Amino acid sequence: DTGVSQDPRHKITKRGQNVTFRCDPISEHNRLYWYRQTLGQGPEFLTYFQNEAQLEKSRLLSDRFSAERPKGSFSTLEIQRTEQGDSAMYLCASTEEVIGTVSGKLFFGSGTQLSVL
Amino acid sequence: DAKTTQPNSMESNEEEPVHLPCNHSTISGTDYIHWYRQLPSQGPEYVIHGLTSNVNNRMASLAIAEDRKSSTLILHRATLRDAAVYYCILIRGGNKLVFGAGTILRVKS
Repeated sequence: DTGVSQDPRHKITKRGQNVTFRCDPISEHNRLYWYRQTLGQGPEFLTYFQNEAQLEKSRLLSDRFSAERPKGSFSTLEIQRTEQGDSAMYLCASTEEVIGTVSGKLFFGSGTQLSVL
Repeated sequence: DAKTTQPNSMESNEEEPVHLPCNHSTISGTDYIHWYRQLPSQGPEYVIHGLTSNVNNRMASLAIAEDRKSSTLILHRATLRDAAVYYCILIRGGNKLVFGAGTILRVKS
């Protein structure tokens, strides 16, 4: 297993363009998370999926952001009409959720660094 | 989510032990204490977690105060590769991690 994979590693785009990021979690991990991190800050929770169901979305996730996880495997995060304030590292994490336990052991990818010019 | 307080930064000499403190005075009985670290240009990495008892693994030790209002992450022999941001996080049900700013650990050779 190669861990959580994110693509691309870096993305430079112009303001107003749409971008899409992909995350491939560790196989058989049923939970997948998206976080955003700006320089000097800890990661901020955006959303998470249990299999293909999106169970929670942060208020940080404006209507320009949409995330999907079709078939409960890989996930995509799309940002429409990007703004300079969207510039950040977008991190994906996965874990195996076992009912009745609190693991908290998430496996993170290396992230996608987005720069909006 | 219960809040944690950590020093902004700490410095250590290589091959010496490092004690990273975390205060969590509003912790509830069902909150687990987790530690993650983030090396430059990488995603966070799980280090250790515990509930009430002290815990050891190959990376570190976690010492939890008897009243659980504070904890300490112990790196027994710091190396240059341990230079990172260390996050102390409380988790109550589910697996959503809420990160603070963490402690920047600098290791001097």
